[in-house]
Amino acid sequence: QQQVKQSPQSLIVQKGGISIINCAYENTAFDYFPWYQQFPGKGPALLIAIRPDVSEKKEGRFTISFNKSAKQFSLHIMDSQPGDSATYFCAAPIVNDYKLSFGAGTTVTVRA
Amino acid sequence: NAGVMQNPRHLVRRRGQEARLRCSPMKGHSHVYWYRQLPEEGLKFMVYLQKENIIDESGMPKERFSAEFPKEGPSILRIQQVVRGDSAAYFCASSPETGGYIYGYTFGSGTRLTVV
Repeated sequence: QQQVKQSPQSLIVQKGGISIINCAYENTAFDYFPWYQQFPGKGPALLIAIRPDVSEKKEGRFTISFNKSAKQFSLHIMDSQPGDSATYFCAAPIVNDYKLSFGAGTTVTVRA
Repeated sequence: NAGVMQNPRHLVRRRGQEARLRCSPMKGHSHVYWYRQLPEEGLKFMVYLQKENIIDESGMPKERFSAEFPKEGPSILRIQQVVRGDSAAYFCASSPETGGYIYGYTFGSGTRLTVV
């Protein structure tokens, strides 16, 4: 069964727009929620991660929001650029501190 | 290049053949993880290894799949008697000895296995 549910499966946004991707989980071994960015033919690369002693973390145009009571976290890409076109995966340590469970991925297309 | 190195990048095998995928972790990393990515899906954990030890193979299919991380050389993921359903991208990640395993995860570029 899917332990981390990610939506939407894909989205198209105009250059300069905001991309929002959501993830939900049931339980985690501990609180650490990374987002990975993957370009075609490449491996996933860590984009941004949050250890929720805070409810939000921002790095440049990328922001993670975390709602612990709802067991949800989201990625916001502000001022989306064509170079942001990629597949984004959320992940969480569902079982222990070395095994990540990934969402199914969101393919983001930014139109110029 | 100090990243996680995987080879080959692409591998084509006929049904019934063996596939060997190799992974050299980042310098200073002693923990290796293998994940499989099927088309249109996220990555699924397969196995976690340290030098000469398999720590967790709970995600490995019970038959035909094996993994090792010898004292010297890269980690090897071996698939015997491949079937079409084994076609996928296989990613290796490594993490450092200390500081929290998953915080330091770094993925390689993957091996794309196609079984014909």
